[in-house]
Amino acid sequence: KAGVTQTPRYLIKTRGQQVTLSCSPISGHRSVSWYQQTPGQGLQFLFEYFSETQRNKGNFPGRFSGRQFSNSRSEMNVSTLELGDSALYLCASSLRAGGDGYTFGSGTRLTVV
Amino acid sequence: AQSVTQLGSHVSVSEGALVLLRCNYSSSVPPYLFWYVQYPNQGLQLLLKYTTGATLVKGINGFEAEFKKSETSFHLTKPSAHMSDAAEYFCAVSDLDMRFGAGTRLTVKP
Repeated sequence: KAGVTQTPRYLIKTRGQQVTLSCSPISGHRSVSWYQQTPGQGLQFLFEYFSETQRNKGNFPGRFSGRQFSNSRSEMNVSTLELGDSALYLCASSLRAGGDGYTFGSGTRLTVV
Repeated sequence: AQSVTQLGSHVSVSEGALVLLRCNYSSSVPPYLFWYVQYPNQGLQLLLKYTTGATLVKGINGFEAEFKKSETSFHLTKPSAHMSDAAEYFCAVSDLDMRFGAGTRLTVKP
């Protein structure tokens, strides 16, 4: 079966712009979580969606937002980009909420210049 | 809130030697524990997980981990390292959501 698909794979944006990243989970998975990975901070939890509802949220500013659609696909949006937002953004899906063994996508590498 | 601590940000072993990557956790409820591996420019791949039952968990690529509640540990081992094991390894704990350790970069010397 198809894995978790994240698009785009690479993205370059300018400070102040906004960006939308997409994640298609494994078929049948209803939970989608997002993580930010940087060399300095490691893997930081952004948020989790389950059945179109945000179930949990990490400690990120309101510029970071997300949503989940009825087909479980998820998008995350970052507005007013800052240089520090440059990171690998990883999406993970699972059958159940809470992380009972995630399957990760390959990530979107965002560079803010 | 749950958390994990990985001891050692870098571990170097010779090919054929024992691999031991250390992980300690804290959790207010019986935890689910995981080990993931990440190769450069890729996402994380699940190596193994502990939920309930047998405390010695076997995973892919010859890795295993033992859940020790008394020590709040979940160390990852492999009897004989292979060059292809060179990667970054993450321990994770889950109750409300999944939280990851800082990672351990494994280097395998020929």
